[in-house]
Amino acid sequence: KNEVEQSPQNLTAQEGEFITINCSYSVGISALHWLQQHPGGGIVSLFMLSSGKKKHGRLIATINIQEKHSSLHITASHPRDSAVYICAVARDDKIIFGKGTRLHILP
Amino acid sequence: DGGITQSPKYLFRKEGQNVTLSCEQNLNHDAMYWYRQDPGQGLRLIYYSQIVNDFQKGDIAEGYSVSREKKESFPLTVTSAQKNPTAFYLCASSAGPDSYEQYFGPGTRLTVT
Repeated sequence: KNEVEQSPQNLTAQEGEFITINCSYSVGISALHWLQQHPGGGIVSLFMLSSGKKKHGRLIATINIQEKHSSLHITASHPRDSAVYICAVARDDKIIFGKGTRLHILP
Repeated sequence: DGGITQSPKYLFRKEGQNVTLSCEQNLNHDAMYWYRQDPGQGLRLIYYSQIVNDFQKGDIAEGYSVSREKKESFPLTVTSAQKNPTAFYLCASSAGPDSYEQYFGPGTRLTVT
């Protein structure tokens, strides 16, 4: 079993829809990252959080340490949000990555 | 502008040849990392370095080598011993071992035929 599980693996939605991507992990962590990878491969760090909730523009990330679960929400989704979203957890001196969720927003 | 650069973006090699991927950062970060990404899999750690002149093997170090002679640079050599070298390679850096925020380079896509 992977230490970091994301769901769904693939998600297609219409422009404007509210998007939720989930991440569950099975190990103790120091922090959790949400990353965005666009076609072409470059990765951008969206959030790093260890408790509670963070918001940046239309993106919201939450984490529940007791339940070992995090969610990434996108409000008013847009085709430019189409990308792979990766959850990663920091444990000791390493980062463990989920396999990613491929999001496709249709115009 | 501070950041991480990787070159080239695309690299093609014949089987049996060693190839070196470049990673440079001007963020003054102590720690640097190399990851490999394959379709359908999460990023996997190849090597990491927390300080100049020191580096450790990650989860899939076999067939790879690195050096860290300068703080800014962490080149990765894919040797002929690597059984499946075709992949997307990402370099990252962080302020130090106690900093969990990693900054990623744009990646190099290596194709070996």
